Amino acid sequence: TQLLEQSPQFLSIQEGENLTVYCNSSSVFSSLQWYRQEPGEGPVLLVTVVTGGEVKKLKRLTFQFGDARKDSSLHITAAQTGDTGLYLCAGSNTDKLIFGTGTRLQVFP
Amino acid sequence: GAGVSQSPSNKVTEKGKDVELRCDPISGHTALYWYRQSLGQGLEFLIYFQGNSAPDKSGLPSDRFSAERTGGSVSTLTIQRTQQEDSAVYLCASRGRASSYNEQFFGPGTRLTVL
Repeated sequence: TQLLEQSPQFLSIQEGENLTVYCNSSSVFSSLQWYRQEPGEGPVLLVTVVTGGEVKKLKRLTFQFGDARKDSSLHITAAQTGDTGLYLCAGSNTDKLIFGTGTRLQVFP
Repeated sequence: GAGVSQSPSNKVTEKGKDVELRCDPISGHTALYWYRQSLGQGLEFLIYFQGNSAPDKSGLPSDRFSAERTGGSVSTLTIQRTQQEDSAVYLCASRGRASSYNEQFFGPGTRLTVL
């Protein structure tokens, strides 16, 4: 069974701080996605990474795919209250996604 | 519409009753997925439809759960004889042919509460 573990499970920080969320697996994935979900909404795709070692930047968010394509990280620089939400990684090898356990981020003003 | 829609947004039912949840995918999307999410956790895969192929039902937790997709568009997830452990948010997602990496677009979900 493929599993994706995220850490930390919860993160509570002040505006302006930096943070990193980790997504780890013992399985290799052909691609990995990050989603953000706000209360009462469905997850929204942030980024897809497909190449080992790949780094993608989306404004203040930096996503990295591990060299072996088993892990990924999301780094947020100078967090804002609008970054608050549930962050989910999801790996794909077939037509189905395997979702991580989630990281709930709360950014306080 | 522009996005995936789901109805109802909230459903409260009594234990033992049947419920039907509806999903309208993005027009033209051939793939449709149902997931279950408990207490803001990660998503649990339930069932996957792709075009006219037989659905992948490998994630359905019991035979009380079933789903249909009519005309390659709208889908209905049915839960028979609901139990309290069925309480969760049920999310639907669709994916278009152009997606190379299984990028999915989600609806807002149906929050099911079984009393």
